[in-house]
Amino acid sequence: GQNIDQPTEMTATEGAIVQINCTYQTSGFNGLFWYQQHAGEAPTFLSYNVLDGLEEKGRFSSFLSRSKGYSYLLLKELQMKDSASYLCAVSLTSNDYKLSFGAGTTVTVRA
Amino acid sequence: GAGVSQSPRYKVTKRGQDVALRCDPISGHVSLYWYRQALGQGPEFLTYFNYEAQQDKSGLPNDRFSAERPEGSISTLTIQRTEQRDSAMYRCASSLAGQGRYNEQFFGPGTRLTVL
Repeated sequence: GQNIDQPTEMTATEGAIVQINCTYQTSGFNGLFWYQQHAGEAPTFLSYNVLDGLEEKGRFSSFLSRSKGYSYLLLKELQMKDSASYLCAVSLTSNDYKLSFGAGTTVTVRA
Repeated sequence: GAGVSQSPRYKVTKRGQDVALRCDPISGHVSLYWYRQALGQGPEFLTYFNYEAQQDKSGLPNDRFSAERPEGSISTLTIQRTEQRDSAMYRCASSLAGQGRYNEQFFGPGTRLTVL
C-alpha cells in the first residue's frame, strides 16, 4: 500500500506563516501535488513539484526532496480564507492519472 | 466556463438497491477519474478513463462497482446491491491529460451517498 503522512491539524494566527509537512513511501513517484479543500467543497489544485527544490507561487510555496520522500507546503501572510484542509498527493504514474492522497491537514487561521 | 458537474448531489438509498452516479466533465477534457472520499480523509482513486477507454479500474473495491464513459464525455459510476459501507462522498475529476508539464485534475462537487 501507499503511505502518505501529514499532520492532522495546525492552528496559526492571521498574518503568520505555516509549514505543512508531508512524508511519503509509495510504490511509484512521478511528482507531488498539493490541493486545498474548503469544508464541504471540492479539492482545488495549489502546486506541483517533480524536481527537488522550491516552487513559489504567490503566498504559497512548495518544496520537494525526493531522496528523503519529503515535501512541505508553506503558506505565508495567512488570511482567514486560508482556513481549509490541505491535501498532499503523490502521482504514482507517468501521466499523473493515479494520485494517492494523504488524509489532509486542517489549518485553522485565528484572528 | 462550467466546471465538473455531478448528479445527484445527494442520494439516500436502502441497502440492496442499485445506484447510478453521473459525472459531466469539463468540455474538452479527455481524462476522467472517479474517487471516493470518506469524511476526514483524502480522495481514494477508483478508476480512470482516457476518452471512452477505461484504462485503470484497480481502485474499484469489488465487482459491485462499475463505471462507463461510452462516448468519451459523460460518465456513470454504478454500485449494485449497495451496502452500508458504500456510504461516502463520490467525486469525479477531469483533466487535459498530456498537455503541459503536469496533469492538473479538476474535481467536481461530489455525490453524497448514504446507504440505510
